[in-house]
Amino acid sequence: DGGITQSPKYLFRKEGQNVTLSCEQNLNHDAMYWYRQDPGQGLRLIYYSQIVNDFQKGDIAEGYSVSREKKESFPLTVTSAQKNPTAFYLCASSTRSGRGETQYFGPGTRLLVL
Amino acid sequence: AQSVTQLGSHVSVSEGALVLLRCNYSSSVPPYLFWYVQYPNQGLQLLLKYTTGATLVKGINGFEAEFKKSETSFHLTKPSAHMSDAAEYFCAVSDGITGGGNKLTFGTGTQLKVEL
Repeated sequence: DGGITQSPKYLFRKEGQNVTLSCEQNLNHDAMYWYRQDPGQGLRLIYYSQIVNDFQKGDIAEGYSVSREKKESFPLTVTSAQKNPTAFYLCASSTRSGRGETQYFGPGTRLLVL
Repeated sequence: AQSVTQLGSHVSVSEGALVLLRCNYSSSVPPYLFWYVQYPNQGLQLLLKYTTGATLVKGINGFEAEFKKSETSFHLTKPSAHMSDAAEYFCAVSDGITGGGNKLTFGTGTQLKVEL
């Protein structure tokens, strides 16, 4: 089955620690995205990638980093610089990056701070 | 920049009653509009999408939405609510990004409760 997988489902971070969230897709999509979801705030774009080896900052990129070395993978690192990392993180992908393209979402990773 | 407003963070209906979830948008260009549904601790699932053409869009699970340019609205409806419709619903507008790319701007969501 084609789709988007995210792991782990739950992730715990200690203060000062960097953690990496995995996102993999087997839909052969060019574009991939990371969103952060907080209660009552909808989803906000962290980073996006239109193509392999290329990515751009979204609205709330501070404290996060990404890489796109393979078409099917777009991992997100939450660094120690992100002071309020507790949230639900959603990865998405679309066939292309043009306006109006449908974005398909993974099941999410919930990040909690110890 | 585009924006989306969802009126009513919580909506409660009886099973079998009409579901109406409101979405108004702001856009400087012809909008592309989406409705997604989210069940607890899960990702978002596409319900329906408006690009161009017919203003009444039919989606999955019996939902539909009507694009009204004059009212800048894209309200989601379902004639008869089912218990399985209880979830959070998000309206979104597709926004082009300088240099390329496609960003979805989301509303803050509406939690739908269905009561017996």
